[in-house]
Amino acid sequence: QQQVKQSPQSLIVQKGGISIINCAYENTAFDYFPWYQQFPGKGPALLIAIRPDVSEKKEGRFTISFNKSAKQFSLHIMDSQPGDSATYFCAVRISGSARQLTFGSGTQLTVLP
Amino acid sequence: NAGVTQTPKFQVLKTGQSMTLQCAQDMNHEYMSWYRQDPGMGLRLIHYSVGAGITDQGEVPNGYNVSRSTTEDFPLRLLSAAPSQTSVYFCASTYLGGGYEKLFFGSGTQLSVL
Repeated sequence: QQQVKQSPQSLIVQKGGISIINCAYENTAFDYFPWYQQFPGKGPALLIAIRPDVSEKKEGRFTISFNKSAKQFSLHIMDSQPGDSATYFCAVRISGSARQLTFGSGTQLTVLP
Repeated sequence: NAGVTQTPKFQVLKTGQSMTLQCAQDMNHEYMSWYRQDPGMGLRLIHYSVGAGITDQGEVPNGYNVSRSTTEDFPLRLLSAAPSQTSVYFCASTYLGGGYEKLFFGSGTQLSVL
């Protein structure tokens, strides 16, 4: 049973364009929504995270948009760069779950120069 | 500062063999976890620990054992390797603070079971 559904599986964007990756969930008990970035041969690294009490969080070119009623959250990468080419994972955590994160299936982003 | 160190980076096993994946962190984090990464399935939690002497099962624990005798070390043992355990394994430790949490991942172990 997939607790978080991530789309698209792969994404190709031109340099300078906007990359958008979406995640949807069902369980309203989730209370933390991070995004992780993974480069080939490396472990994932935290990129940005949001809690359900806010609808948007921005850090540089990266923005999380959170729609609590639709149970969806998305990552927007503005002015995408070739160095952003990586695999991106959304994740969710159940409130009080002793820090257990459930990850989405991942999106492989390629930014063309 | 080394962060999270995993060894080995690569390993090939035959079906039925056992082995231990090592994980050590030097950040004094209480919470540590093991994930496996398979194509199209993201990262799935195998086992986790909330402190020395305390471990619990994650989403896919079958075929794996863990122990946590110290804060620093969290080894993962494959009891009798099966081809279905071919995967990339990541160990992580969790930082809690500032109202958020951050997983620090090791660089992974690529395991092939023949």
